[in-house]
Amino acid sequence: AQKITQTQPGMFVQEKEAVTLDCTYDTSDPSYGLFWYKQPSSGEMIFLIYQGSYDQQNATEGRYSLNFQKARKSANLVISASQLGDSAMYFCAMRDHPGGSEKLVFGKGTKLTVNP
Amino acid sequence: ETGVTQTPRHLVMGMTNKKSLKCEQHLGHNAMYWYKQSAKKPLELMFVYNFKEQTENNSVPSRFSPECPNSSHLFLHLHTLQPEDSALYLCASSPHPRDREDEQYFGPGTRLTVT
Repeated sequence: AQKITQTQPGMFVQEKEAVTLDCTYDTSDPSYGLFWYKQPSSGEMIFLIYQGSYDQQNATEGRYSLNFQKARKSANLVISASQLGDSAMYFCAMRDHPGGSEKLVFGKGTKLTVNP
Repeated sequence: ETGVTQTPRHLVMGMTNKKSLKCEQHLGHNAMYWYKQSAKKPLELMFVYNFKEQTENNSVPSRFSPECPNSSHLFLHLHTLQPEDSALYLCASSPHPRDREDEQYFGPGTRLTVT
């Protein structure tokens, strides 16, 4: 079974509007971390935001916020005021393991296109 | 240079060639990683090194051979590859691989084409 599911292969948004990229995850570990990365066409994976399973508040980093719904096992990325430079692939990832783990498991990604 | 660098950025090789990919991190991190990113597939972890010791080999074929001479450098030696090995190979590093919130920093990748 997939640990990370991103159901939107592609998304389109108008410049200056907000967009939500979906991510659901599967784990039986009560302690886990969730990450979002951005990959522009240049190839480099850029860390955007982190949410810990015990964090009481949703994570925010500038225009990025994470809509964390623990009971639903979802960790959707919200990008506010989209910019043309936001066009890229976006990957959701999770680290889980009771004893700590060096593995990040990635979803298949969502391609975001911001239209002018 | 800062961050994580990878060379070469692009590589075309025949199935009988031997080549190496290089990764260097300037962040003082303890762990380094190799990932493979094929078209339309999730990022796949290949190898993990923690303090120069290999701690993860994700069932990678022996035609891929990693080397970590120190905590700043990581190599991936390639020999007798197959066309299906064509992919983007990403290197990453992280400061505290055992911490749940440990964030990995990625290099720009090497685009490998096997002919």
